[in-house]
Amino acid sequence: EAQVTQNPRYLITVTGKKLTVTCSQNMNHEYMSWYRQDPGLGLRQIYYSMNVEVTDKGDVPEGYKVSRKEKRNFPLILESPSPNQTSLYFCASSPLAGGLTDTQYFGPGTRLTVL
Amino acid sequence: AQSVAQPEDQVNVAEGNPLTVKCTYSVSGNPYLFWYVQYPNRGLQFLLKYITGDNLVKGSYGFEAEFNKSQTSFHLKKPSALVSDSALYFCAVRDPNAGGTSYGKLTFGQGTILTVHP
Repeated sequence: EAQVTQNPRYLITVTGKKLTVTCSQNMNHEYMSWYRQDPGLGLRQIYYSMNVEVTDKGDVPEGYKVSRKEKRNFPLILESPSPNQTSLYFCASSPLAGGLTDTQYFGPGTRLTVL
Repeated sequence: AQSVAQPEDQVNVAEGNPLTVKCTYSVSGNPYLFWYVQYPNRGLQFLLKYITGDNLVKGSYGFEAEFNKSQTSFHLKKPSALVSDSALYFCAVRDPNAGGTSYGKLTFGQGTILTVHP
């Protein structure tokens, strides 16, 4: 089944404890992206990757890191989480960014709480 | 900088009536425009997109949207609403003319909650 998977789905952690949220897609997509969803603010892009080894900042990159060492995986790293990073996080992939195949496929989401 | 506005936080409509969810955008040139939907307790799903060509775009579940360049709008419409259409709808824009890898940036609106009453 074609899908985007995220782990963990739920996480409660404490301020300052480094964490990684994994994202993997099995559709051979070039483009991957991370978003956070907060009430009243919609979806905001954190980072995106046009292809392997190419990443770029979205609208809200502060406090986050990413890497794209292989096409299928795009982990999101919070080096020192803070309470303002409590949110619902979505990973997404697309065949390409731009053009007729530009369609985001979203993962199920990771609900993160930072105490 | 690109931006999207969804001026209505909530839209309420009776089942069987037409519905419209509004979206306006701002980019430097011709945009790529998208609608995504988030059903309760389900993930985000693609509905439709405008890349080029016909200004009227048809998508999933009977939805359509019209690209209006002069009004910088991309409103989502459906002729006859269903209770099952009740969900959170997001409009998004990409600027394909942005330099370098910047066209990878995708900006979403804040979302509109659509409630269809029986």
